[in-house]
Amino acid sequence: EAQVTQNPRYLITVTGKKLTVTCSQNMNHEYMSWYRQDPGLGLRQIYYSMNVEVTDKGDVPEGYKVSRKEKRNFPLILESPSPNQTSLYFCASRSLGGGPSGEQFFGPGTRLTVL
Amino acid sequence: GNSVTQMEGPVTLSEEAFLTINCTYTATGYPSLFWYVQYPGEGLQLLLKATKADDKGSNKGFEATYRKETTSFHLEKGSVQVSDSAVYFCALTLNQAGTALIFGKGTTLSVSS
Repeated sequence: EAQVTQNPRYLITVTGKKLTVTCSQNMNHEYMSWYRQDPGLGLRQIYYSMNVEVTDKGDVPEGYKVSRKEKRNFPLILESPSPNQTSLYFCASRSLGGGPSGEQFFGPGTRLTVL
Repeated sequence: GNSVTQMEGPVTLSEEAFLTINCTYTATGYPSLFWYVQYPGEGLQLLLKATKADDKGSNKGFEATYRKETTSFHLEKGSVQVSDSAVYFCALTLNQAGTALIFGKGTTLSVSS
């Protein structure tokens, strides 16, 4: 089954404790992206990657890092989480062959709470 | 800048009622337009899209028409079902490689039997 998986689905942590949220897709998509969803703000892009070793900032990259060492994986790293990073996070992927209007496939989300 | 504005929710309807969720956009150039749906506890799924003016996207009884003159992409369904209860997001993307989806804030639809 074609899918995007994220782990963990739920995480409660404390300020300053480094964490990683993993994202993996099995569709051989070149493009991967991270979004955060906050009430009243919709989804905003954090980082994206056009292919292995190619990453770039989205609209709200402060406090986050990413890496793309393999095509299927795109982990999101919070080196020193703060309470304002409490949010619902989504990973997404799409094929570059479909162009910018191609469908993005979303993971199930990771609900992060930073105390 | 580029942005999407959609009607505030929640929208509460009875089964078989007609649904309209308004969406307008501001964009440089000629964007592609999307409606994504998020069912409770799940990620977003593409519902329909349109890539140029006057295109109509349709899926599962939902439809939306890309209106360049009014910069709108309103979502409609003639007869909603309880299973349509979800959050609906209007979004756009510019036709450039690497560009992000720009989302509206989402509209919660609740359908009762």
